[in-house]
Amino acid sequence: DAKTTQPPSMDCAEGRAANLPCNHSTISGNEYVYWYRQIHSQGPQYIIHGLKNNETNEMASLIITEDRKSSTLILPHATLRDTAVYYCIVFSGSARQLTFGSGTQLTVLP
Amino acid sequence: KAGVTQTPRYLIKTRGQQVTLSCSPISGHRSVSWYQQTPGQGLQFLFEYFSETQRNKGNFPGRFSGRQFSNSRSEMNVSTLELGDSALYLCASGSGGPLLNEQFFGPGTRLTVL
Repeated sequence: DAKTTQPPSMDCAEGRAANLPCNHSTISGNEYVYWYRQIHSQGPQYIIHGLKNNETNEMASLIITEDRKSSTLILPHATLRDTAVYYCIVFSGSARQLTFGSGTQLTVLP
Repeated sequence: KAGVTQTPRYLIKTRGQQVTLSCSPISGHRSVSWYQQTPGQGLQFLFEYFSETQRNKGNFPGRFSGRQFSNSRSEMNVSTLELGDSALYLCASGSGGPLLNEQFFGPGTRLTVL
């Protein structure tokens, strides 16, 4: 699976959009981009995933660049409960495991 | 429906002992994966079980083993505990399909080895 690079930490004001970047320059054509988050000492929580097109669900939006070498997770109106470590994972269907990197610690400030 | 449950939530053991952790997946899910999380190594994949068979294994020593029962419940065993085995052990439940979005994590078992 391709490796990902994320900033170690980011701050965001409550109520504002949080934009979390991820670089995955070695991604291959059949690999998906997944985002999970982990609130302190809890199990990771699935957020969203995509292949080529931008995706949106009730939690977030995922913007993938046309060359697929990077993506951005957008939390449109961050709340204090969104404070967590966010993991960007690149995955192909043939690998039956999640490979977590270091993630980004997002802190939402009041 | 009920989520993934893990028992116990907290455990304290001493070096050399062995430990067994349990994971009950979401009803209908047949795949259970185990992960170890430590401050130094982050989240690392241990193994996956599907229909009582180990389908994938991470890079951990043989002291780490697991099994899955016919009701899809899974247990993980660590023998001859070492201080470095202190970690949060997470299990993830899935239907067994190829899409990761089907994996749901439990709250974890916090193991402390003294």
